Order: sequence, then C-alpha cells, then structure tokens
Amino acid sequence: GEDVEQSLFLSVREGDSSVINCTYTDSSSTYLYWYKQEPGAGLQLLTYIFSNMDMKQDQRLTVLLNKKDKHLSLRIADTQTGDSAIYFCAESKGGNNRKLIWGLGTSLAVNP
Amino acid sequence: DVKVTQSSRYLVKRTGEKVFLECVQDMDHENMFWYRQDPGLGLRLIYFSYDVKMKEKGDIPEGYSVSREKKERFSLILESASTNQTSMYLCASRRGEQFFGPGTRLTVL
Repeated sequence: GEDVEQSLFLSVREGDSSVINCTYTDSSSTYLYWYKQEPGAGLQLLTYIFSNMDMKQDQRLTVLLNKKDKHLSLRIADTQTGDSAIYFCAESKGGNNRKLIWGLGTSLAVNP
Repeated sequence: DVKVTQSSRYLVKRTGEKVFLECVQDMDHENMFWYRQDPGLGLRLIYFSYDVKMKEKGDIPEGYSVSREKKERFSLILESASTNQTSMYLCASRRGEQFFGPGTRLTVL
C-alpha cells in the first residue's frame, strides 16, 4: 500500500540540530522530497534525494536515506527561529505515476 | 522565477453558492493538482489533471469538479458549497518536483 508516516510535532532549542523522520512503504519510490510550509503559505521544496543515493547535503540541510528500512530523515543544523514551520515528506514513483504521496507533516517549533 | 498563482488568498461564501477557484502556472507543466489542507489531516488530493481536458479523481473528489481547458489553467469548482468545505485549498503543478501556489483560504458560512 501507499503510506508515508511522520511524527506530528518536534520542539527544539535555537542553535540545536533538528532531525525530522519519515518512513514510507513503497520500495519502488524513485525520488523522495522534503517540503517546508510556513504559516499561511503554500509549500516550498527544500530538498530531494534520488533513491540510489544514501545522503545529500545542502548547506544546513542533510538528508539521509535508508532504503532497507524505508526511512528518510532531514537534519537541520543550527536551527533558527525562522525554521519554525511544517515539514512534509513526499515520495514519487517512476514511470507514469504522476502523484506524490504525502506524509501528514511535522510541525517544528524552535524555542529561543 | 517559476510561478503558480491562485486567484484569491481569502474567500468567504455562503452555503449553496457555486464557487470557482482558479489556478495558473507559467511552467508549461502537464500535471496540475488541487489539494485541501486541514489541521491534522495533511494534504488530501481532490483532483488532478495530466493534460488539457483530462482529469482524474483524487482521494476526496465528492462535492468538487474541475476544469482544464488550457494547459496553464486548472479550476476547482464547488457546485454547491457546504460548511464542511471550509478549508485551505492548494494548487500545484509538476513535471519533476512539484510547485505550489500560495493557497486560498475558503470559508463557507
């Protein structure tokens, strides 16, 4: 079946690292995405990883993919108050599959 | 700069009214989507379209219809709005990654 799961809430202190986790069930996924949604706004792509990669780093963001466990994580280093948002994990399959399968989102609260 | 625009940020309608939500993308994408977002329920797909005049039902199509007469424009129609359709509506388009509009917060009184 199609299912992407995330924990709903995460709270961290400013300056700490945040780790947001996601599990998915479909091993045929080709791309996995992380999107960020700030209050009252649409979603913006943060980063993505292709399924043949284990890790991707982009400035303060590190994505880790464990295909065996179907586990994806997003690490934000030196978390700032501006990182407070909802973070969505999504998976894409290959071929003619046009839809992304979405997690429910993790609400990250950054405390000063 | 790529863009998905939605016709309204905020909309207030009365029960029974016909409501049109418009979405336009400037990226020549084939695939366009309408979602609704409610607290605790994440993004739920209402309808999507993979070409002009082509559409497919998503997970919650009841009470909605869509129209795609031109590639860049995808409209969501609430034939007779009801209070349980009060929500945030998000449009998106996609070729590889998916781009979202800013959302329309619809309130049905």
